[in-house]
Amino acid sequence: EPEVTQTPSHQVTQMGQEVILRCVPISNHLYFYWYRQILGQKVEFLVSFYNNEISEKSEIFDDQFSVERPDGSNFTLKIRSTKLEDSAMYFCASSAGGANTEAFFGQGTRLTVV
Amino acid sequence: AQRVTQPEKLLSVFKGAPVELKCNYSYSGSPELFWYVQYSRQRLQLLLRHISRESIKGFTADLNKGETSFHLKKPFAQEEDSAMYYCALSGSGNTGKLIFGQGTTLQVKP
Repeated sequence: EPEVTQTPSHQVTQMGQEVILRCVPISNHLYFYWYRQILGQKVEFLVSFYNNEISEKSEIFDDQFSVERPDGSNFTLKIRSTKLEDSAMYFCASSAGGANTEAFFGQGTRLTVV
Repeated sequence: AQRVTQPEKLLSVFKGAPVELKCNYSYSGSPELFWYVQYSRQRLQLLLRHISRESIKGFTADLNKGETSFHLKKPFAQEEDSAMYYCALSGSGNTGKLIFGQGTTLQVKP
């Protein structure tokens, strides 16, 4: 069964460094998402991506964040200058359609900023 | 504002007991509601959605627009039901963005 794959599973970085979180969505899916979950808190929407552009983003997704689909298979989330409060589990998801369509989630990348 | 509330962080029941995981939402339009589940060391996966009105693994959920609720129910809990359950609302527009509740850990004791 096809799955969304995220790498790495755990990333430790120093404050101020740039990180890139990688995701391979399911191949025939058209909608891509990033969510994050700070320890002990709810899963929060960051950004949705469709037709090679951002379709929606949350207030969390400020200028420090960017997304890219560089080669038609990978979907990346870049954090330009990490802060301690960026420490969280980051989930990638993809779906075949938009609203009301099942989203398939990756296993997550745990980002720890020290 | 769009919001999903799951009032219980932890629900602990014995095997064979009925289960009800509560979910309330706040949304101005016609909501699309989902339940996602995360078993230990596994990824988030869809359990059921209100639009399909189906029963999955014995679980059902009815959308009550008057009470703005979408509670998840199962008449007889099994140990393998132990997991984290998230209620989610599909936001406005067609992007498929999900707004999640805080999650409820269901613990089914033998």
